[in-house]
Amino acid sequence: DGGITQSPKYLFRKEGQNVTLSCEQNLNHDAMYWYRQDPGQGLRLIYYSQIVNDFQKGDIAEGYSVSREKKESFPLTVTSAQKNPTAFYLCASSIDRASGYTFGSGTRLTVV
Amino acid sequence: AQRVTQPEKLLSVFKGAPVELKCNYSYSGSPELFWYVQYSRQRLQLLLRHISRESIKGFTADLNKGETSFHLKKPFAQEEDSAMYYCALRVGATNKLIFGTGTLLAVQP
Repeated sequence: DGGITQSPKYLFRKEGQNVTLSCEQNLNHDAMYWYRQDPGQGLRLIYYSQIVNDFQKGDIAEGYSVSREKKESFPLTVTSAQKNPTAFYLCASSIDRASGYTFGSGTRLTVV
Repeated sequence: AQRVTQPEKLLSVFKGAPVELKCNYSYSGSPELFWYVQYSRQRLQLLLRHISRESIKGFTADLNKGETSFHLKKPFAQEEDSAMYYCALRVGATNKLIFGTGTLLAVQP
């Protein structure tokens, strides 16, 4: 069954700790994306990667980091520098410009 | 500046009534626009894209460059249409999308 898997579904962390969110896809898509979804603000782009070993900052990259060592994987690390990390995080992938995004089911991160 | 505006946070209609979800964009290049939908407890998914000029689940959307709009329309709303709808704009040479803030459509019986 092809798709994007985000894990875990819920994540709790103490303030000041770094945390890594997993995103894996078996769709053979080249491009992958991380968005943050907050109530009333829609989806905002954090980072994106068009190809393995390459990634670019999105609109709200401060306090986040990513890696793209494998085509299938695009993990997002929320660092202690992110001032307001509690949010719903969505990962997506796409095969080309003509296609839309395929989204994961999301990870809800709560920092206490 | 590149921006997508969805002015309505909530749109409530009765079953069988027409629906229009508004989307306006700001972009200096040639726009490519999409509508995404998120049903309750489901993943965000692509509904339609303007280049396809398709009708999905009875919904259509026409790109109006003069008014910089891409409104989503359906002549007769169904209860199963209740969902969160996002308009999105593709920018630049990449497949990067800018999303609006979304409109929650509630179809009352």
